[in-house]
Amino acid sequence: DTEVTQTPKHLVMGMTNKKSLKCEQHMGHRAMYWYKQKAKKPPELMFVYSYEKLSINESVPSRFSPECPNSSLLNLHLHALQPEDSALYLCASSREPGQDSYEQYFGPGTRLTVT
Amino acid sequence: GNSVTQMEGPVTLSEEAFLTINCTYTATGYPSLFWYVQYPGEGLQLLLKATKADDKGSNKGFEATYRKETTSFHLEKGSVQVSDSAVYFCALSDRIQGAQKLVFGQGTRLTINP
Repeated sequence: DTEVTQTPKHLVMGMTNKKSLKCEQHMGHRAMYWYKQKAKKPPELMFVYSYEKLSINESVPSRFSPECPNSSLLNLHLHALQPEDSALYLCASSREPGQDSYEQYFGPGTRLTVT
Repeated sequence: GNSVTQMEGPVTLSEEAFLTINCTYTATGYPSLFWYVQYPGEGLQLLLKATKADDKGSNKGFEATYRKETTSFHLEKGSVQVSDSAVYFCALSDRIQGAQKLVFGQGTRLTINP
């Protein structure tokens, strides 16, 4: 199983809503990532979890709150978002943190629209 | 800091044409290099990788060679198909705060016409 799954596939939320994105992998990977991708741009790294601990926060606004409940799950909690936060949110995982030869496996993404 | 520069797109070719997408990088040391592909409405998929100088990555008819002398990792395919239409990202692996960070190029949109 070399799959990263993400739910939901699409999400529309108002600026006062609270919602969560979910990511799951069963490959035994110990590093997990959240990326944000705007149209016609490369993915931008948001957060990295290494061994279930937050190791990188790329100066992401606090309205985005990541959580890693266990080694297979990664959540992104959303609150009071802005329309400019509308984007494709991608989750990824890799075998070992800090090993640059290992590729990252990406999920299909959640298409988020903030109204 | 480390960076990746890709040839600007979009690129439009006819089926069975030869493809080259240029990628050069700037880095301290010798990072691992990757090509990812993104089909419409999907996430990124690893296409191929190379982890040291002179390594050649290959997959699905695509190839790229890690050239230390020219700091390049150009993607090539001898005969493209309509199904190869996608966005292609070149990336290098950087390490910060003990974690891996992928540094992406801007992406090249490829369209193959029948």
